[in-house]
Amino acid sequence: RKEVEQDPGPFNVPEGATVAFNCTYSNSASQSFFWYRQDCRKEPKLLMSVYSSGNEDGRFTAQLNRASQYISLLIRDSKLSDSATYLCVVSSRPGDMRFGAGTRLTVKP
Amino acid sequence: GAVVSQHPSWVICKSGTSVKIECRSLDFQATTMFWYRQFPKQSLMLMATSNEGSKATYEQGVEKDKFLINHASLTLSTLTVTSAHPEDSSFYICSALVGAGRAFFGQGTRLTVV
Repeated sequence: RKEVEQDPGPFNVPEGATVAFNCTYSNSASQSFFWYRQDCRKEPKLLMSVYSSGNEDGRFTAQLNRASQYISLLIRDSKLSDSATYLCVVSSRPGDMRFGAGTRLTVKP
Repeated sequence: GAVVSQHPSWVICKSGTSVKIECRSLDFQATTMFWYRQFPKQSLMLMATSNEGSKATYEQGVEKDKFLINHASLTLSTLTVTSAHPEDSSFYICSALVGAGRAFFGQGTRLTVV
């Protein structure tokens, strides 16, 4: 079983749509959780950290369920610029980041 | 904000040669840096943890004699792919920690071995 598993994707949605990504992790000792976005042939960039209480940043909402070892990302009002691969990242100690395979999102006009 | 610079951004080399990739923290000191590899359509895989002034810690399955890591200063870690072969062609990315666990990534190096 992979340490971090994500929706297989790809997701193709129209502009303005709401899209949700799911992620599960296997290491119960995981302490930190993140969503990164990665554009083609570029380095990953932090989108947002994920907190137990859930958190929101503009159109993006992240949630964490420690009991189920499950993380989600909700994107509302999708923009063309949201097209990217979204990586679920889990860490049990600072810097030791375990990446999911990523879910590719394409937002179409 | 913190910046991690990786060089070169791409390199093509002949099979059997060695390639060195540099990862620099530009405005902060990084006692620990991390090296990842990403094959097409796959996730980033941690290869090794680079510790300033000591030996790197390699993940299971990563050959330490093939992927030499040197972290001689607080701002520079290098990864040398020795005797490169076509199967080593990949996207290599470094990262460094800032503060309480925030990681910043280098721009990545696309290695093609022909």
